[in-house]
Amino acid sequence: AQTVTQSQPEMSVQEAETVTLSCTYDTSESDYYLFWYKQPPSRQMILVIRQEAYKQQNATENRFSVNFQKAAKSFSLKISDSQLGDAAMYFCAYRSGGAGGTSYGKLTFGQGTILTVHP
Amino acid sequence: KAGVTQTPRYLIKTRGQQVTLSCSPISGHRSVSWYQQTPGQGLQFLFEYFSETQRNKGNFPGRFSGRQFSNSRSEMNVSTLELGDSALYLCASSPSARYNNEQFFGPGTRLTVL
Repeated sequence: AQTVTQSQPEMSVQEAETVTLSCTYDTSESDYYLFWYKQPPSRQMILVIRQEAYKQQNATENRFSVNFQKAAKSFSLKISDSQLGDAAMYFCAYRSGGAGGTSYGKLTFGQGTILTVHP
Repeated sequence: KAGVTQTPRYLIKTRGQQVTLSCSPISGHRSVSWYQQTPGQGLQFLFEYFSETQRNKGNFPGRFSGRQFSNSRSEMNVSTLELGDSALYLCASSPSARYNNEQFFGPGTRLTVL
């Protein structure tokens, strides 16, 4: 079974600064997808960024970028120019890319990292 | 396009009762997944439905069940409620069976069991 670990229960950053959230995962699969989701106090989960394991290039979405190290099974999220609206719980998630019943519709989440942004 | 909707948003039940939660996916989305979120266990996958068929199930007891209708709306049912079932229940929809499709989440149903 796949596992996702976020070792930082809480992180804080000053507005306009950069912060990196860590995520490691364990899998024996070669085909998979990794995601970072944001959950603000409203509890609405929002996709921040997605990475396909077969792509060597790190994904970027505006101020958000990832450092995907496939051999090390590491998938960290960097938030640049942090804004007050970035304050939320961030979840790293894994989805199998293989065919079969155990793959359908299942995201495996880490425990989450609470990000606080100080003005 | 309207997002994923879940009803009710809040629910209070007592032990032993049963409860039904509803999820309406984004129009055109055929896959619906359900998750349970608790402070202790985090986010855990319950099950996934696609075209009215349950294709995947997480490690939950048989008291947790679900179904999907022809219009892709989904319901989940929890029978004989226990205190530990208190949680935020999230559903997520996806347009198709492709593995890299993003899952779009609803706002959740907060269930409290007394």
